[in-house]
Amino acid sequence: DAGVTQSPTHLIKTRGQHVTLRCSPISGHKSVSWYQQVLGQGPQFIFQYYEKEERGRGNFPDRFSARQFPNYSSELNVNALLLGDSALYLCASSLKGELNTGELFFGEGSRLTVL
Amino acid sequence: GESVGLHLPTLSVQEGDNSIINCAYSNSASDYFIWYKQESGKGPQFIIDIRSNMDKRQGQRVTVLLNKTVKHLSLQIAATQPGDSAVYFCAEKTEKLTFGTGTRLTIIP
Repeated sequence: DAGVTQSPTHLIKTRGQHVTLRCSPISGHKSVSWYQQVLGQGPQFIFQYYEKEERGRGNFPDRFSARQFPNYSSELNVNALLLGDSALYLCASSLKGELNTGELFFGEGSRLTVL
Repeated sequence: GESVGLHLPTLSVQEGDNSIINCAYSNSASDYFIWYKQESGKGPQFIIDIRSNMDKRQGQRVTVLLNKTVKHLSLQIAATQPGDSAVYFCAEKTEKLTFGTGTRLTIIP
């Protein structure tokens, strides 16, 4: 069975640009969460979606947005990129909709570099 | 505010020995804790979890201990193997999941 898949795996952008990252959860999982992992630190919670509705939001500016589609895949969008947005963006899926509980299955991430 | 911290950022252990990775948390309202393993170039992988009504839970070669009095969590890995080399994160749940900084475990052959 396929795990959580994310695309692209690596990308380079310049300041001020916009980026869209994509995630497909494990088949049957209805909850998708997004995390930002800056080098040398633990992942930080950005969003959780369940059944296409936002269920939680971390302490990130409005430049960050996300959505979940009817097939439960998800996109994370970041506008007006800053150098500090350079990080590994992780998507995680789970069966349960309760915020961040249950076993989270992480993808391998999209590494974003902002120049 | 809430925080999750680790006592040591790096840990080197001889292959076959036991490893203990420690974690301190500050939010007494946390009711669920999880340990993750993250290998280079990969996403975090669930290892074991524990709820606040327990003080010990065992898995395959791993044991998690929770001391709520001093807000301390530890992960014990028995008979470490080269494949155990990774960064280990503890995470606590309140209204969200908060990860610690991580401990890099290196297994010495």
